[in-house]
Amino acid sequence: DQQVKQNSPSLSVQEGRISILNCDYTNSMFDYFLWYKKYPAEGPTFLISISSIKDKNEDGRFTVFLNKSAKHLSLHIVPSQPGDSAVYFCAAKGGGADGLTFGKGTHLIIQP
Amino acid sequence: AAGVIQSPRHLIKEKRETATLKCYPIPRHDTVYWYQQGPGQDPQFLISFYEKMQSDKGSIPDRFSAQQFSDYHSELNMSSLELGDSALYFCASSYFRLNLNTGELFFGEGSRLTVL
Repeated sequence: DQQVKQNSPSLSVQEGRISILNCDYTNSMFDYFLWYKKYPAEGPTFLISISSIKDKNEDGRFTVFLNKSAKHLSLHIVPSQPGDSAVYFCAAKGGGADGLTFGKGTHLIIQP
Repeated sequence: AAGVIQSPRHLIKEKRETATLKCYPIPRHDTVYWYQQGPGQDPQFLISFYEKMQSDKGSIPDRFSAQQFSDYHSELNMSSLELGDSALYFCASSYFRLNLNTGELFFGEGSRLTVL
């Protein structure tokens, strides 16, 4: 039972345009949501997070939006750059647990 | 800056053998987490340790055990290996209080275990 779902295994976006990665979750106990970025042969690296009490968090080119009623969050990257090509994991935590629950990831490909 | 160090990076074992993975957290980090990522799968949380004590448990099989030592490094011991244990094993660390609410973890590059 996948509690964090990323329904797009891959996404191709032209350089300079906006990349939008989506994530849905089912567990209402989640209180923090995170995006991790992963390059091949490297571990995931933290990108941006959002608390469940907020609906938007912005950090440079990256913005995360949270819609609690829809149990949906999205990551916007604008403008997209070639170095953004990577696998992006959506993750969630809550209920006092240490472990993060990850989605399966979306492979973002930025085309020149 | 020092990152999370995992060893070995690659390991090949036969079925029913035993394997041990090591993780050295970022200096001053007192919490260590283990994740397993199978081919085409999302990383699955296995277990975590805070101040050398198990703090949370995820989907870790009974054949696996782990511990955190006095220098905060951690070892994941896997026995009676099965083909399905072939995966990338990530270790992550955090400074517990600093990351209590944000959930930001610092991951190592992973140890790839192949069971033949």
